[in-house]
Amino acid sequence: DAKTTQPTSMDCAEGRAANLPCNHSTISGNEYVYWYRQIHSQGPQYIIHGLKNNETNEMASLIITEDRKSSTLILPHATLRDTAVYYCIVRGQAAGNKLTFGGGTRVLVKP
Amino acid sequence: NAGVTQTPKFQVLKTGQSMTLQCAQDMNHEYMSWYRQDPGMGLRLIHYSVGAGITDQGEVPNGYNVSRSTTEDFPLRLLSAAPSQTSVYFCASSRDRSTNEKLFFGSGTQLSVL
Repeated sequence: DAKTTQPTSMDCAEGRAANLPCNHSTISGNEYVYWYRQIHSQGPQYIIHGLKNNETNEMASLIITEDRKSSTLILPHATLRDTAVYYCIVRGQAAGNKLTFGGGTRVLVKP
Repeated sequence: NAGVTQTPKFQVLKTGQSMTLQCAQDMNHEYMSWYRQDPGMGLRLIHYSVGAGITDQGEVPNGYNVSRSTTEDFPLRLLSAAPSQTSVYFCASSRDRSTNEKLFFGSGTQLSVL
């Protein structure tokens, strides 16, 4: 599975959009980009995923570059409850279709 | 619809003791898996199952056993607990093993081995 690179941390103002970047330059053609978040020590929560096209759901938007080497998760209106560690994951078919978690980005939403 | 349920939430063991971490899902998911998360680190896959009667090893399987006798349940067994197994354990499931299927996680079991 391809590795991902994310900023270690970032702050965001409440009510503003939060843009979380992720690099996955070694991604293969059949590997999906997933985003999960983990609030405190709870179980990871699914946010969104995509293959090539941009995706949007009730939680966020996912923008994937045309060459698929990077992506951006957009939280349109951050709230205090969005404070969490956000993981960008590339999921392939190797070894149990596992999710390979990196260090993630610790996002702090400030009032 | 409870999703993925893990029990217990907390457990303290002495070195050498055995125990079973329970995981159940009510979504009729074929794929189930166990991850461990150590402080400040991401999750690592221990074992997984693509259906009842089928299990396989992940990246850190040593010291753990699993079985999948029903679609709903996927217990994780520690035969002889070691301090290195102190961790938070998460169970996850998805409809099938497709990489286009999102994983649903349980709330975790925090295990301390003294």
